[in-house]
Amino acid sequence: QKEVEQNSGPLSVPEGAIASLNCTYSDRGSQSFFWYRQYSGKSPELIMFIYSNGDKEDGRFTAQLNKASQYVSLLIRDSQPSDSATYLCAVHTGGFKTIFGAGTRLFVKA
Amino acid sequence: DTEVTQTPKHLVMGMTNKKSLKCEQHMGHRAMYWYKQKAKKPPELMFVYSYEKLSINESVPSRFSPECPNSSLLNLHLHALQPEDSALYLCASSQQTSGQETQYFGPGTRLLVL
Repeated sequence: QKEVEQNSGPLSVPEGAIASLNCTYSDRGSQSFFWYRQYSGKSPELIMFIYSNGDKEDGRFTAQLNKASQYVSLLIRDSQPSDSATYLCAVHTGGFKTIFGAGTRLFVKA
Repeated sequence: DTEVTQTPKHLVMGMTNKKSLKCEQHMGHRAMYWYKQKAKKPPELMFVYSYEKLSINESVPSRFSPECPNSSLLNLHLHALQPEDSALYLCASSQQTSGQETQYFGPGTRLLVL
């Protein structure tokens, strides 16, 4: 069974700090990795995608991928209260199948 | 433009009702998806259409019936639902580029079955 694991949290960080969200996956053949942000009662919103090993930066967000360790992470710099949400890690395992982790709840304290 | 629209936003229906959820995208995406999401759980894949043909049915009960009239539209027909079917129903689309299936979600329809 292909799995995507995330720490459910909640992860609590003070405003201005770096939030680090982690995700591991079981299918070594996975090619594409995504981070979605989901506010309570809303739909998932794409934050980042990453296909290659290494880091990818977009504004305050950095995605990191290590295929050898089957590990993907999301760093949020200068965290803001508006970043408080559930962050879903998603892994495209082939065909049309994307497996979502259970999500990590992030709280940014003002 | 990465917009997927869904109607209605909210739906309340009885167990004997028939209703439909609608989804539309104008990004030229050739794959469209229906997901179901219960509170505090990740989205669960229900159906996938590729080039207007049903490609995946994740063993969804027949009281849910998908339809893809054209490449921009996706419907989900509902009939004789159960209270446990109450959830957020999400539509998504992707360009269908091999190995890089970035999915964009619509705002969802929150369904309550009484």
